[in-house]
Amino acid sequence: DAGITQSPRYKITETGRQVTLMCHQTWSHSYMFWYRQDLGHGLRLIYYSAAADITDKGEVPDGYVVSRSKTENFPLTLESATRSQTSVYFCASSPGTSGRIFQETQYFGPGTRLLVL
Amino acid sequence: GENVEQHPSTLSVQEGDSAVIKCTYSDSASNYFPWYKQELGKRPQLIIDIRSNVGEKKDQRIAVTLNKTAKHFSLHITETQPEDSAVYFCAASKGTGFQKLVFGTGTRLLVSP
Repeated sequence: DAGITQSPRYKITETGRQVTLMCHQTWSHSYMFWYRQDLGHGLRLIYYSAAADITDKGEVPDGYVVSRSKTENFPLTLESATRSQTSVYFCASSPGTSGRIFQETQYFGPGTRLLVL
Repeated sequence: GENVEQHPSTLSVQEGDSAVIKCTYSDSASNYFPWYKQELGKRPQLIIDIRSNVGEKKDQRIAVTLNKTAKHFSLHITETQPEDSAVYFCAASKGTGFQKLVFGTGTRLLVSP
């Protein structure tokens, strides 16, 4: 589990500010994901990436921006934070193709608890 | 798109009893169904998964069953223990290679000693 880390673990910000959540994995997994977790909604996919420089929208992408210049990093930026973005954010990674096998198990980071005032 | 419904939202059992959590999915093309366990304040972790070419899979005290005709799958935990207390999430995806997971809303399981 130490192979995927998130920072910061806790963040308090104000409405309108830009916030960047960091995610780093040491496994060289191809796929990386950002989810938000809210009561009553489970885990909802924000963005995902299949490889460096390849990203795509998930279920709830509005208000978020991602980039993946290096395989191991997948930062999530809230361009102008809103109170509705108060949530717990989880980053995850998945191996993808390994030889002839596609491994789709997702390994989650410890999460970032974000409060927008 | 795919929609996954999960029931019940909360489940309380006595230690030693069995617990069953059920999920239904909407897309008949879905073919991969993992279950994640999330302890309080921790990250979700995969506990078991099943593919559509298999009807049942067991791993010690946990098992998952799949009914493709009815489009539902279930998690069964036998001889529950207090450390089984957690939130359990089902999920579904379809196709070959990478496909996005769609999660259910979670079931909070409480096992009382």
